Amino acid sequence: DTGVSQDPRHKITKRGQNVTFRCDPISEHNRLYWYRQTLGQGPEFLTYFQNEAQLEKSRLLSDRFSAERPKGSFSTLEIQRTEQGDSAMYLCASSLASTGELFFGEGSRLTVL
Amino acid sequence: KQEVTQIPAALSVPEGENLVLNCSFTDSAIYNLQWFRQDPGKGLTSLLLIQSSQREQTSGRLNASLDKSSGRSTLYIAASQPGDSATYLCAAPTGANNLFFGTGTRLTVIP
Repeated sequence: DTGVSQDPRHKITKRGQNVTFRCDPISEHNRLYWYRQTLGQGPEFLTYFQNEAQLEKSRLLSDRFSAERPKGSFSTLEIQRTEQGDSAMYLCASSLASTGELFFGEGSRLTVL
Repeated sequence: KQEVTQIPAALSVPEGENLVLNCSFTDSAIYNLQWFRQDPGKGLTSLLLIQSSQREQTSGRLNASLDKSSGRSTLYIAASQPGDSATYLCAAPTGANNLFFGTGTRLTVIP
């Protein structure tokens, strides 16, 4: 078990470009979460999947953000037409529904110039 | 909406001291409570998970307690070490769906 992995770890992009992050959860975990964290703050919930179904989305998730988990395994988070305010660490976590204990990846840091 | 508060925001202690970190939450109908550690620029590492029916959990030098009725949890670290320096976060979900995090306590253990 290699834990939750995220790719890329760092992304620098220009305003207006699209970016995509990938998350590979712990293999037997059926729940997958995306969070966003800015400096000095705790993580903020964005969205979560149970298997391939996206069950909840935060109001923080504007129309420019979309997340998928097509086969109930890995997930992608895409941000279209990036803005400077999107600069943050994007964290992925997974869990078993039976325990609820979350395990996080190392995060993908986005810098929008 | 659940609100989670952690006090103090920052704490500096000499090596070897025992310490307590506090976490309070406004909605006591929590599913569980989880404590995490975060090193600068890194993701979160799970330390302890307390289910809503439990009152405490222990792992090595760490002990976490939960009092749902008062909306409080504490993380006790015994015999602190410089390697314990990190930000400690608590999270308290009100359903199985997501966690509400505090802003964390930044701990520095001075050798």
